[in-house]
Amino acid sequence: DGGITQSPKYLFRKEGQNVTLSCEQNLNHDAMYWYRQDPGQGLRLIYYSQIVNDFQKGDIAEGYSVSREKKESFPLTVTSAQKNPTAFYLCASSISQAVNTEAFFGQGTRLTVV
Amino acid sequence: AQKVTQAQTEISVVEKEDVTLDCVYETRDTTYYLFWYKQPPSGELVFLIRRNSFDEQNEISGRYSWNFQKSTSSFNFTITASQVVDSAVYFCALSEGTSGTYKYIFGTGTRLKVLA
Repeated sequence: DGGITQSPKYLFRKEGQNVTLSCEQNLNHDAMYWYRQDPGQGLRLIYYSQIVNDFQKGDIAEGYSVSREKKESFPLTVTSAQKNPTAFYLCASSISQAVNTEAFFGQGTRLTVV
Repeated sequence: AQKVTQAQTEISVVEKEDVTLDCVYETRDTTYYLFWYKQPPSGELVFLIRRNSFDEQNEISGRYSWNFQKSTSSFNFTITASQVVDSAVYFCALSEGTSGTYKYIFGTGTRLKVLA
């Protein structure tokens, strides 16, 4: 089945560690996105990518990094510089950022700092 | 600036009641799209509807209906005869193009609890 797969579903990180969240899609979509969801704050855009080897910062990029080496993969690294990383992270994709269509979402990764 | 406001943080209804979720948006663009997504407890956002700024016709899909009014910048969502399976967080979103690049702006969501 076509879709977006995020892993792991739950992730625990010690303070000072970097962790990487995986996002893979087999929808052949050009555009991919990372959102952070906190209670009462909706979804906030971290990074987005329109095409392979290209990505842009969203509204809350500090403390995060991404790569887009393959069309189907858009991993997010939460670095030790991110002061409050405990949150629910959602990856999404859409056909293209030049075409206005709906985004498709993965099931999310819940990151907890211990 | 673009903004989506969902003033209702949480709504509780009894099964079979009708419920309306409000969404108010702000944008300077004349061309934009509005969306509704459902987030069940599993976490994944499920797409429900997309509406472009030039189409103000109301839409009905089964028990779901949407009322788009540009005059009040609102895109409200009504569930008729609610069911327990409708319990979820519902997000309204806006997408507009800036230099040909579309990004999604989400509201803070409304948590709907349907009680049996």
